[in-house]
Amino acid sequence: SQTIHQWPATLVQPVGSPLSLECTVEGTSNPNLYWYRQAAGRGLQLLFYSVGIGQISSEVPQNLSASRPQDRQFILSSKKLLLSDSGFYLCAWRGQRLGGYTFGSGTRLTVV
Amino acid sequence: GENVEQHPSTLSVQEGDSAVIKCTYSDSASNYFPWYKQELGKRPQLIIDIRSNVGEKKDQRIAVTLNKTAKHFSLHITETQPEDSAVYFCAATSYGQNFVFGPGTRLSVLP
Repeated sequence: SQTIHQWPATLVQPVGSPLSLECTVEGTSNPNLYWYRQAAGRGLQLLFYSVGIGQISSEVPQNLSASRPQDRQFILSSKKLLLSDSGFYLCAWRGQRLGGYTFGSGTRLTVV
Repeated sequence: GENVEQHPSTLSVQEGDSAVIKCTYSDSASNYFPWYKQELGKRPQLIIDIRSNVGEKKDQRIAVTLNKTAKHFSLHITETQPEDSAVYFCAATSYGQNFVFGPGTRLSVLP
């Protein structure tokens, strides 16, 4: 069966520090991968998606970047965090067939 | 591109009553409509979905109906329980496209 791992679960970082969040998927190949951000009490904002290794599409201009160095690994990064980067970050995957997304357990990032 | 609206934004019901959340979409090419439940501090989880070739799907106390002509679909929860309290998100998509999520509905089931 397929599983998705996301870490860390919580993170408190100072303004201006770097960020690296990692997501890996097991039990599937060539998944579509996504990074979402959710501000407190708000909806799901798509940040990046990837349909294959090295293929990254950005939905909104921002202080963040994403990379997909391996088929089942998706990384969200920032060189210098801003206060506005605080939020709940969710990784998700989807197979090639039409079906639902499966979300990781999320990372709660607080920038102080 | 696709646009998904969701109503109401908040909904309070008494335990045992029914709850209905409605979503409308704009792209007639959309053919897959999932619903997600997100409990406080947790990840969204898929609870039910429907494809455009059916008009209704039911799974125990939850059901989803789809009206392709009017481009809207609804989530129905019967005999609500306190554990149904959560934020519910609808989404619309078609093959090869990303999901477009609605803004969410916060459901509170009052004892």
